[in-house]
Amino acid sequence: DVKVTQSSRYLVKRTGEKVFLECVQDMDHENMFWYRQDPGLGLRLIYFSYDVKMKEKGDIPEGYSVSREKKERFSLILESASTNQTSMYLCASLSDRSPGTQYFGPGTRLLVL
Amino acid sequence: DAKTTQPTSMDCAEGRAANLPCNHSTISGNEYVYWYRQIHSQGPQYIIHGLKNNETNEMASLIITEDRKSSTLILPHATLRDTAVYYCIVRSMQGGSEKLVFGKGTKLTVNP
Repeated sequence: DVKVTQSSRYLVKRTGEKVFLECVQDMDHENMFWYRQDPGLGLRLIYFSYDVKMKEKGDIPEGYSVSREKKERFSLILESASTNQTSMYLCASLSDRSPGTQYFGPGTRLLVL
Repeated sequence: DAKTTQPTSMDCAEGRAANLPCNHSTISGNEYVYWYRQIHSQGPQYIIHGLKNNETNEMASLIITEDRKSSTLILPHATLRDTAVYYCIVRSMQGGSEKLVFGKGTKLTVNP
């Protein structure tokens, strides 16, 4: 079974803090994604990566950066957290051999005070 | 924007079949139909996908109309744990980096 894990299920941070969200997948997938999910807005793509050290902006990259130094790990960074970044953050991975079949992690619910 | 239309909500009795419809009238020839679901407070979970033939796996069956303009996801014997939001997505098979566009989905409630 594919396993996608995220470093925390719940996180509380203060405005202005630098926040790191980690995602690890164990299936050697080439592609990894970061989404955020908010009530009434659905899932929105923040960034994705199709290879190590490669990254592409999604629909809402402002205020975020990412890092993919190893194939299995994709990190989302909030350089200076703000209250409007309070959300559920979901990581996903996908193999080039099965486009469309994304495997999601359990999510991190981030509260920025 | 999502290219599918689904009912906002549906109810189903435990043990009965749940039939979730999806309209995708603008689907193009190389686009597949994917179904995902999201149980409360969890990440979305892949269920099944198909191009034009009906498909079945251990979780569900997918029935696609001959003109491919609509499809139905069937959970043959719904359980309380099937209560979730179900998303129907159309997507081409080109490129692993293409994002999935999740619409609002159908909230299925399975009642005891």
